Amino acid sequence: QVQLQQSGPGLVTPSQTLSLTCAISGDSVSGDSAAWAWIRQSPSRGLEWLGRTYFRSQWYNEYAGSLRSRMTINPDTSKNQFSLHLNSVTPEDSAVYYCARWVHEKGFLDVWGKGTTVTVSS
Amino acid sequence: QSVLTQPPSVSAAPGQRVSIFCSGSASNIGRKYVSWYQQVRGTAPKLLIHDDYKRPSGIPDRFSGSKSGTSATLGITGLQTGDEADYYCAAWDDSLSGVVFGGGTKLNVL
Repeated sequence: QVQLQQSGPGLVTPSQTLSLTCAISGDSVSGDSAAWAWIRQSPSRGLEWLGRTYFRSQWYNEYAGSLRSRMTINPDTSKNQFSLHLNSVTPEDSAVYYCARWVHEKGFLDVWGKGTTVTVSS
Repeated sequence: QSVLTQPPSVSAAPGQRVSIFCSGSASNIGRKYVSWYQQVRGTAPKLLIHDDYKRPSGIPDRFSGSKSGTSATLGITGLQTGDEADYYCAAWDDSLSGVVFGGGTKLNVL
């Protein structure tokens, strides 16, 4: 049974970097049938796809266009986890952040982390 | 404004049937599989339907999915009070190179 365990701070200061980690159990971050994704949810924007990382002979990292300049998703094979880094945050980045597994060929999110509520405030 | 369009809410009585519609475009629903998620307040979304109509193991057959052109439908029969939740449709969008979601539909079981 695949499980995703999220960790990271719930409060981030404006202009700083939001960093979250998602630890994977029951699957491999470098497996060839899935991608590992970040999604956020806020009352103003609903569910919003942030990006994903996956390995297919090499690593691919793909980001939502609106956030591409501020975001990095990094896999960590030694710890079987992946992380999200979003820099220069503003209060508009306040949201519940979820990590999830994306089943690659079919296209759906079948396993989700429990979510981390992140507030951007001084 | 979500890329996929859903009604904000639907209501029905226990035991009845309800349909939730999701409208998209050629770049998403028109050429990609649709998935549906159930989100109970305060919890993460849960996969209900994938590949337009397939149910993951453990999802009762009261839940069904269908697709026609650039629209998809989630059907729920034999409504139970425990079905009260927000329901979201999603699909990959080739133009945006990312997953797009509907704005969510709140199901009220009266």
